[in-house]
Amino acid sequence: GAGVSQSPRYKVAKRGQDVALRCDPISGHVSLFWYQQALGQGPEFLTYFQNEAQLDKSGLPSDRFFAERPEGSVSTLKIQRTQQEDSAVYLCASSQREGVDEKLFFGSGTQLSVL
Amino acid sequence: KQEVTQIPAALSVPEGENLVLNCSFTDSAIYNLQWFRQDPGKGLTSLLLIQSSQREQTSGRLNASLDKSSGRSTLYIAASQPGDSATYLCAVKSAGGSYIPTFGRGTSLIVHP
Repeated sequence: GAGVSQSPRYKVAKRGQDVALRCDPISGHVSLFWYQQALGQGPEFLTYFQNEAQLDKSGLPSDRFFAERPEGSVSTLKIQRTQQEDSAVYLCASSQREGVDEKLFFGSGTQLSVL
Repeated sequence: KQEVTQIPAALSVPEGENLVLNCSFTDSAIYNLQWFRQDPGKGLTSLLLIQSSQREQTSGRLNASLDKSSGRSTLYIAASQPGDSATYLCAVKSAGGSYIPTFGRGTSLIVHP
């Protein structure tokens, strides 16, 4: 595709509900990142994929957070039993290759509000 | 662990001024540094990417410099315009075996007519 696509754009969940956020990276991009951005803060790293392999999930805040990229393209970030502190914008980014000189391209994000 | 700081946190200037935004990082062993722009409610748009071997990059009215040894980068915006109003973020990719970019909190810029 022309850019990184994320859906839904907005998600409102009741506390305790499960949510699934989708990221469709630029076609052919090997690396995929998920970030969490609270209001007025910079993006905080959650997890990183190289193709279908999840190489780093050190930023996931709890075991309620789970991410997958089964075919090395589309990725899903799932949050179980959502809590109010999960309210944030979830950003997905991709880059063409695994490498030190690769530029990151971001989607528009999913704004999650937990009531 | 890499830490990235951006100063100032917020800036409000009249149109036409030349601006300098600062980004500092604690670990000078980096691969690259990337500057982004974020408009309200939107994702991040890449502005400039500087490799560790480079000193600066330029794109139009934007110039980014990198002083790796002192752990600093600056983004220079010439002849600012109201359309430049946005949050500017820098991200540092450290050379510690991980390719995870670390972000600062950003500088919120308002350029008023």
